[in-house]
Amino acid sequence: GAVVSQHPSRVICKSGTSVKIECRSLDFQATTMFWYRQFPKQSLMLMATSNEGSKATYEQGVEKDKFLINHASLTLSTLTVTSAHPEDSSFYICSSGGLRDTQYFGPGTRLTVL
Amino acid sequence: QKEVEQDPGPLSVPEGAIVSLNCTYSNSAFQYFMWYRQYSRKGPELLMYTYSSGNKEDGRFTAQVDKSSKYISLFIRDSQPSDSATYLCAMSAGEYGNKLVFGAGTILRVKS
Repeated sequence: GAVVSQHPSRVICKSGTSVKIECRSLDFQATTMFWYRQFPKQSLMLMATSNEGSKATYEQGVEKDKFLINHASLTLSTLTVTSAHPEDSSFYICSSGGLRDTQYFGPGTRLTVL
Repeated sequence: QKEVEQDPGPLSVPEGAIVSLNCTYSNSAFQYFMWYRQYSRKGPELLMYTYSSGNKEDGRFTAQVDKSSKYISLFIRDSQPSDSATYLCAMSAGEYGNKLVFGAGTILRVKS
């Protein structure tokens, strides 16, 4: 299956700062990538679908101005959490859309906002 | 009613036991069915992928889909402590780029 990397794996920041998370599809050209958020002991919550060369599609209730997504190439999508607050602390995971709807997930980024 | 129902557990079994994990769903358009394993603080790992009804076996893992009952299962034979993780079922209606709908995940604990 596809190999997906994320960077950084962990980030701690102060309230009010912006944080950028990178997601790379290392061996598969992904026109579609997905961003999820996962709170402790809960399942994955889809935040948005990232489409190469076009605007991301956000799920209901996800603020597009707060969670900026850029998918400028077939191998890289970025998620920027703007003006982060403690309630944004979570585990953020990206995935690369594979064949026949399979998705291959990155290792995740743990964000802690102080 | 959620589109995909999955008992969150936890499910505790002794080493060597056969484990049965299940999901039910309501959307008859779902065609592709997946099982992911997620260790604590890691991204989910694709374990099994099946299309339509039937069984698929891979080593100690068997995935089963019954579309008539809208029910899917994952069986783990000879369970090991290293199988302790959260198991997520996921499904989609098809076409590249479609969103996956996930179950809540079942926590499995295999005791040595």
